[in-house]
Amino acid sequence: NAGVTQTPKFQVLKTGQSMTLQCAQDMNHEYMSWYRQDPGMGLRLIHYSVGAGITDQGEVPNGYNVSRSTTEDFPLRLLSAAPSQTSVYFCASSYRTGADNEKLFFGSGTQLSVL
Amino acid sequence: AQKITQTQPGMFVQEKEAVTLDCTYDTSDPSYGLFWYKQPSSGEMIFLIYQGSYDQQNATEGRYSLNFQKARKSANLVISASQLGDSAMYFCAMREGRGYSTLTFGKGTMLLVSP
Repeated sequence: NAGVTQTPKFQVLKTGQSMTLQCAQDMNHEYMSWYRQDPGMGLRLIHYSVGAGITDQGEVPNGYNVSRSTTEDFPLRLLSAAPSQTSVYFCASSYRTGADNEKLFFGSGTQLSVL
Repeated sequence: AQKITQTQPGMFVQEKEAVTLDCTYDTSDPSYGLFWYKQPSSGEMIFLIYQGSYDQQNATEGRYSLNFQKARKSANLVISASQLGDSAMYFCAMREGRGYSTLTFGKGTMLLVSP
């Protein structure tokens, strides 16, 4: 049972480069999301999706794009990386049951450094 | 205003003692859920405990309990009989309303358990 799989685990980019962080889940979860974690800031929501073909912005969406073509995959794209995007990125998913106690399942994170 | 406030950047506790990690929240929605996650040094996010706004009793999960004071809008995590393996970052999070599973996180509290 793989759960939420993120790749790569580590990445170093130069300013201006583009890349895609991959996220896949095998639990048939409707809801998927991306967070970034910075020291002293907790986790902040970047983008989320409540199903295939549906995405929406979170608290800190600038500089990031997402798409959701399948239930399983939710890639995060950095079109032109900036040093301010140096962070640890987490993908998370859950069922969308409407129940209050629906918890998020997290991937293991991607540590991104932009030089 | 912050939706989730964790006022303790760091806490120290001796092994086998109990410790309380503070969390206050801000919402006008009558329906909400409160979550605690643990992040050890390895980086993964581990769900610990959940409390719903309509729950009459405080949630408990093994050595973890949630001291829920609705009128004060606080949801403190109590860890009884601390163990060395409890040393980690702890995050409080809230979901407001129903339907979407967007969680808003606090900035976290680093707990260090000493022998």
